Amino acid sequence: GAGVSQSPSNKVTEKGKDVELRCDPISGHTALYWYRQRLGQGLEFLIYFQGNSAPDKSGLPSDRFSAERTGESVSTLTIQRTQQEDSAVYLCASSLAPGSNTGELFFGEGSRLTVL
Amino acid sequence: GNSVTQMEGPVTLSEEAFLTINCTYTATGYPSLFWYVQYPGEGLQLLLKATKADDKGSNKGFEATYRKETTSFHLEKGSVQVSDSAVYFCALYAGNNRKLIWGLGTSLAVNP
Repeated sequence: GAGVSQSPSNKVTEKGKDVELRCDPISGHTALYWYRQRLGQGLEFLIYFQGNSAPDKSGLPSDRFSAERTGESVSTLTIQRTQQEDSAVYLCASSLAPGSNTGELFFGEGSRLTVL
Repeated sequence: GNSVTQMEGPVTLSEEAFLTINCTYTATGYPSLFWYVQYPGEGLQLLLKATKADDKGSNKGFEATYRKETTSFHLEKGSVQVSDSAVYFCALYAGNNRKLIWGLGTSLAVNP
């Protein structure tokens, strides 16, 4: 597609349930990022994928969080046993390979997660 | 390590007022600098960027100059509009860790 697509746009779930968030990056973008944005706060880096390299998972807050990406296509962020503090907007961004640009990211509109 | 500090909001201005949102950074080497904007209900989007010292990024009437001597990248606009109401994020990209380093964001509200 023309831009980064994320789904669902809104998700309300009960505490303890698992959720999956999906990101479809811009075609040809080899780098993909997940960020978390809590209400009124800045962006919190979660995970970074670059091509077929091992992902940078240094931002994942706990082992309840995981993400996958197959090749240079769709990525899925999974949160297991959700907690109320997981409530946030989860943003996905993609970019060209780091060596070929200066860090410009293209963002999706985010998936708003509410854990009751 | 690399870091970005931007002025805290919220900032409230009247239409046609002058806007400055301060951003300073700490980085090794020569980072690229960015301003991203998040309009209500929309995703983040790049507003402007500068990739080397003394470069000026500009877009939609906004400007920011990469000042290496003061390690700053302040965002300015001479006459704001109601439609500029948004959250503005300063960010740097140093390349070595392949991640953008973000400021906390500054909320701007422009009243008619």
